[in-house]
Amino acid sequence: GAGVSQSPSNKVTEKGKDVELRCDPISGHTALYWYRQRLGQGLEFLIYFQGNSAPDKSGLPSDRFSAERTGESVSTLTIQRTQQEDSAVYLCASSLRFYRQGDHNEQFFGPGTRLTVL
Amino acid sequence: RKEVEQDPGPFNVPEGATVAFNCTYSNSASQSFFWYRQDCRKEPKLLMSVYSSGNEDGRFTAQLNRASQYISLLIRDSKLSDSATYLCVVNNGSSYKLIFGSGTRLLVRP
Repeated sequence: GAGVSQSPSNKVTEKGKDVELRCDPISGHTALYWYRQRLGQGLEFLIYFQGNSAPDKSGLPSDRFSAERTGESVSTLTIQRTQQEDSAVYLCASSLRFYRQGDHNEQFFGPGTRLTVL
Repeated sequence: RKEVEQDPGPFNVPEGATVAFNCTYSNSASQSFFWYRQDCRKEPKLLMSVYSSGNEDGRFTAQLNRASQYISLLIRDSKLSDSATYLCVVNNGSSYKLIFGSGTRLLVRP
């Protein structure tokens, strides 16, 4: 079946502009995650959605970042007034179910959106 | 101290070599452990989960030492296609958040 898809694959924008990134999780996956990966670095957790529960936004770096998800479908990550330090690859992942302690529930990643802020 | 630490490498080995990567984590309450593989400019993909008793998948063996908060990955008979960055991943204590190490880069040469 189809994997996680993200769009656009690349986005170049000017400092100060808003951008919207989209993620389509695997059908039936209830959990959805957004991460940021700067060049040569590990993944930083941004936000987590689980079904209709309140999202965990604790990883969002500033109030310029926001994300939404409708039910168990598409999610959008919005960055307002982009800054050069926002340049990174933004990765979305989904997993089949809510994490339980000791779980080995695989996260499936999309190809990412490479954001460049000039 | 970083929550998950890895030697960044690169490890440059000939085909057929055995190579081992190590990883340490700081949160003793962590319960779930993984190795992900990330190819250049690609997304991470699960290589294997790491279980308490250690586990093997073909040429790959993962070990967990909870007392030392240490995880290892052993690759035997390296192939050119094993060239990638290997990410050590640990859940944050008892939560669902996964903490990713910065990765260890492996280059397998002919």
